[in-house]
Amino acid sequence: NAGVMQNPRHLVRRRGQEARLRCSPMKGHSHVYWYRQLPEEGLKFMVYLQKENIIDESGMPKERFSAEFPKEGPSILRIQQVVRGDSAAYFCASSVGTGDGYTFGSGTRLTVV
Amino acid sequence: KQEVTQIPAALSVPEGENLVLNCSFTDSAIYNLQWFRQDPGKGLTSLLLIQSSQREQTSGRLNASLDKSSGRSTLYIAASQPGDSATYLCAGGTNAGKSTFGDGTTLTVKP
Repeated sequence: NAGVMQNPRHLVRRRGQEARLRCSPMKGHSHVYWYRQLPEEGLKFMVYLQKENIIDESGMPKERFSAEFPKEGPSILRIQQVVRGDSAAYFCASSVGTGDGYTFGSGTRLTVV
Repeated sequence: KQEVTQIPAALSVPEGENLVLNCSFTDSAIYNLQWFRQDPGKGLTSLLLIQSSQREQTSGRLNASLDKSSGRSTLYIAASQPGDSATYLCAGGTNAGKSTFGDGTTLTVKP
């Protein structure tokens, strides 16, 4: 009964490269949320998705960031042309339905050099 | 817009002490309140979830309460142990899915 699976655990990218972060929700969960935790800061909401739909992207930066949750496969958070300020821990959570409690993955720690 | 505040930012107690962590929120139309634990460099582990219709939840040495009218939740930890040392986060959830997190209280339990 695997929990929320995120990979990779650690990702190093040079400035200008693309970063792809993957999240497989817990079995039976169809709602996925992405949060970012900058060094020494709290968790900030980025985006909420259901299968093939973006429900709330109010926390996503307007440029370079995108997210998807296809019918088959994991949810993907994509960051194009990364900059040093993108260095952070990116956490994915899933829930059974809207308003239900979250289960978190272990996160992906992105370092931009 | 929901804002969640946790005070103090850090707390140090001797082993065996009972303690209370505080969480306040601005929007009383909260749908649920969830407490998490985060160890350094790790992900978040869910501790307790309180739905808006509930007043408290208990799990082992942990008890969480929710008072919507005053905009407060507390996490009570009984007989603290060094293994309880971690950052504790509260999150206020909406019926639209999104949750807002506090910045956490970092707890150190000294042997």
